Amino acid sequence: GENVEQHPSTLSVQEGDSAVIKCTYSDSASNYFPWYKQELGKRPQLIIDIRSNVGEKKDQRIAVTLNKTAKHFSLHITETQPEDSAVYFCAASKAAGNKLTFGGGTRVLVKP
Amino acid sequence: DSGVTQTPKHLITATGQRVTLRCSPRSGDLSVYWYQQSLDQGLQFLIQYYNGEERAKGNILERFSAQQFPDLHSELNLSSLELGDSALYFCASSVGTTGHTEAFFGQGTRLTVV
Repeated sequence: GENVEQHPSTLSVQEGDSAVIKCTYSDSASNYFPWYKQELGKRPQLIIDIRSNVGEKKDQRIAVTLNKTAKHFSLHITETQPEDSAVYFCAASKAAGNKLTFGGGTRVLVKP
Repeated sequence: DSGVTQTPKHLITATGQRVTLRCSPRSGDLSVYWYQQSLDQGLQFLIQYYNGEERAKGNILERFSAQQFPDLHSELNLSSLELGDSALYFCASSVGTTGHTEAFFGQGTRLTVV
């Protein structure tokens, strides 16, 4: 089955700096890659997703890139703010509507 | 609010007991997923139902079972509970009849086994 690896497991950045989280997946049939943000004790919330026919997608300070050949995708957060502090999960599935396989998560701490 | 409703929010029970967690998906969503999140751990996929039928199964213990009813709500049954079953259990829904395919999570049920 699908396996998703996520790095780093923790990331500490200064407010205003950029944060980058990287994920690799094993199943070349995967074609839907969402990112979720989870604050302490709360539900995971979808922040951005990308499908395999797109190489990059941007939404304000958040961007995601996908390299299908290398089977990896990344989340980029620019101009980080304290409210960006949370755990971020990448995920992969063979199609939207199929089960999501999650990476292990990255705990991001933005220091003011 | 994601539109996915889970009840109860918190549950404390003793080892050996059985509990039922309930999930109401977003209006129009046909697919329901159950995930388990232990303390400081990732999201482990348990099981998926689509329009009443089991669609995918993850690392779900034999002591656990689930079903999706005709009104599309789902229940996760956990029996012979052990201390290690203490976790946050999330339900998510997707594949709406409106065409939305993103998965949205409920607020979770925090299960504590004592």
